[in-house]
Formats: sequence, C-alpha cells, structure tokens
Amino acid sequence: SQQGEEDPQALSIQEGENATMNCSYKTSINNLQWYRQNSGRGLVHLILIRSNEREKHSGRLRVTLDTSKKSSSLLITASRAADTASYFCATAIDRGSTLGRLYFGRGTQLTVWP
Amino acid sequence: SQTIHQWPATLVQPVGSPLSLECTVEGTSNPNLYWYRQAAGRGLQLLFYSVGIGQISSEVPQNLSASRPQDRQFILSSKKLLLSDSGFYLCAWSVGWDSPLHFGNGTRLTVT
Repeated sequence: SQQGEEDPQALSIQEGENATMNCSYKTSINNLQWYRQNSGRGLVHLILIRSNEREKHSGRLRVTLDTSKKSSSLLITASRAADTASYFCATAIDRGSTLGRLYFGRGTQLTVWP
Repeated sequence: SQTIHQWPATLVQPVGSPLSLECTVEGTSNPNLYWYRQAAGRGLQLLFYSVGIGQISSEVPQNLSASRPQDRQFILSSKKLLLSDSGFYLCAWSVGWDSPLHFGNGTRLTVT
C-alpha cells in the first residue's frame, strides 16, 4: 500500500498536555501533509513538509520528517478540548505517474479532556 | 477567495439505483480535483483524480465513474449502486501537484 499509517490509532489526554502522533510510509515521497477532521466533516489542511525539510512549525503544531526512516511525527503542544478530532497524514508519492495524488492513512483519533 | 461546494450532504439510495454527486469549485482556475471515499472509522481512499477537463485518472476499478464536464466541476457517478458503495464521499481541490488539498464538507451515502 502507498498509504501512510498513523500511530497510535487513538490517543486520550488531558488539556494542557502534549499530543504526539506518528506516521510511517513505504515509498519515496515528494512531501508529507497532516490534516485534521472533525466528526462528519471534511478534512482541513494543517502542515505540509517537503522531503528536503526536517522540521516545520505552525502555532502549537510541530512536524518532523525523517526520510531515512520513512516516518513523520505531529506534535500538538498545550492541547485544548477543541483539538479533539481525527488527524491524518497524507503522502505525495515521488513518481511521475502519481504526481499530485495524496494517499491518506487511517488516522489517529485524539480526545482531549477538559 | 476560493470555495468548494459539494452536494447533497446526505443521501439514502437503494441497491441498484444510479448515483450522481456533484462538486464545484469557485475562485480558482484549472484546479486539480479529487474524489475520496471514507468508510466508517477508516482512512480516505482515493477514487479519482483530474488535472484538467476530460482528464480523469482512476485509482480503484469499481462500478463508479467520474467526469469533469467543466473546469471547476467534478461529478461522481454510478449506474447501479452496491451495498459496499456506502460511505462518506469527499471532493477536494488543489492548485498544483505539490500543494495542500482543500476539502468539501462531504456527502454521506447510505445504500440500503
């Protein structure tokens, strides 16, 4: 499968704690993206990190990418109840015939308790 | 600003009936367009991908088809629905092959 796989499948934490989600993939990528999905809604883009980048920040979000291990992590610092959602990683495969196609994993369900 | 419209929001159809889901994008030209399906508790499965009018790439050979009759219109169809076609269908667009996707709010399809 070309999809990324998130770990853990579910994560439950208290407000104020940090949440770390991991993503592993199998093939060479052009970029890796993280998305958030509230229940029953469409996905919202969070961060895009390219294959030549190692770390990226956006507000309380920090994403790392290790292409040698084919893995990425998403860290949400000082989590809030409003961060409760499913988080997906998506990989853009670095092959001509599949350029532009994003393949998603099954997601991590994050629950943040007040 | 760009917006994406997807309808209907929910749909209940009997097995064997046809399907037509429509997606339109406003505020951008020549977007890449996508159809994904999400089964309950699962990730997103890429169904179709289009880089231009009449250019459709299929990821999964099924009883579904897609068409792009206009630059910013993407239609997902089926002649005869199966029970296994139930799911959450999401349309998305991007400006280029290495850009983020922007999703619609999805259509919840239940085949009975």
